[in-house]
Amino acid sequence: KQEVTQIPAALSVPEGENLVLNCSFTDSAIYNLQWFRQDPGKGLTSLLLIQSSQREQTSGRLNASLDKSSGRSTLYIAASQPGDSATYLCAVSTTGNQFYFGTGTSLTVIP
Amino acid sequence: DTGVSQNPRHKITKRGQNVTFRCDPISEHNRLYWYRQTLGQGPEFLTYFQNEAQLEKSRLLSDRFSAERPKGSFSTLEIQRTEQGDSAMYLCASRRTGGHEQYFGPGTRLTVT
Repeated sequence: KQEVTQIPAALSVPEGENLVLNCSFTDSAIYNLQWFRQDPGKGLTSLLLIQSSQREQTSGRLNASLDKSSGRSTLYIAASQPGDSATYLCAVSTTGNQFYFGTGTSLTVIP
Repeated sequence: DTGVSQNPRHKITKRGQNVTFRCDPISEHNRLYWYRQTLGQGPEFLTYFQNEAQLEKSRLLSDRFSAERPKGSFSTLEIQRTEQGDSAMYLCASRRTGGHEQYFGPGTRLTVT
C-alpha cells in the first residue's frame, strides 16, 4: 500500500517569505501526484497535478516538482501571502483513480 | 463547470440511524469518487464509479456502507446503523474522461451522537 508522508506538519512564516513543503511516498510506481489546498471545514481545491512523466508544474506563485526515483515531491510557494494560510495536501495515485493522501502541512502566513 | 456539489453540508444523527448523502459531479464527468476524512487526517479513498459501474471499493467500506450511481450522473452514499466512529467529513470528487485531475466538492460533515 502506498504511504504518503508530509513534512513539516505545521509551518508558520512571515508574509513575503518563500517556502517549500515536502511530500514523500513509498512506492515510486506512481501514475500522478496532485497537490491540494484545504481551508478549515471545507473541501479540497486542486493546485497542481504532475503526471509521472513530468518533472515539474507551475501555476502563478506555485511550483511543484516530482522526483519519482527518490519518492519525493515539493511544493514551492513564492512570496507568501496571508491568504495562502491553509492546509496543503499531497496525494499520490498509482492507477489514476484511488488517491493516497498525506496528513497535510498546516501553513500560517503572518502579516 | 458549476463544480461538484454535495448535500447536505452537515448532518447530525443519532447512533443507529441510517443516513444518505448525495453528490452531483461536474457535468459530463464520467468518474466519481468518494473519500472520508477524519479530523487531522488526509482523505481516505472509499469507492469510485465509472459511469454507473462501481469499479473499486476500499476495505474501509464495511457492509453498512453502500454507494450507488444509478444513471451515471449523481451518486448517493448510504450508511446504515451509524456508529460514532462514522463521524467524519465525506468528500466526493469527479474527473472527466481523458482528464487526470480530481475535482472535489465541499463535503458533507457527519456527526453521530
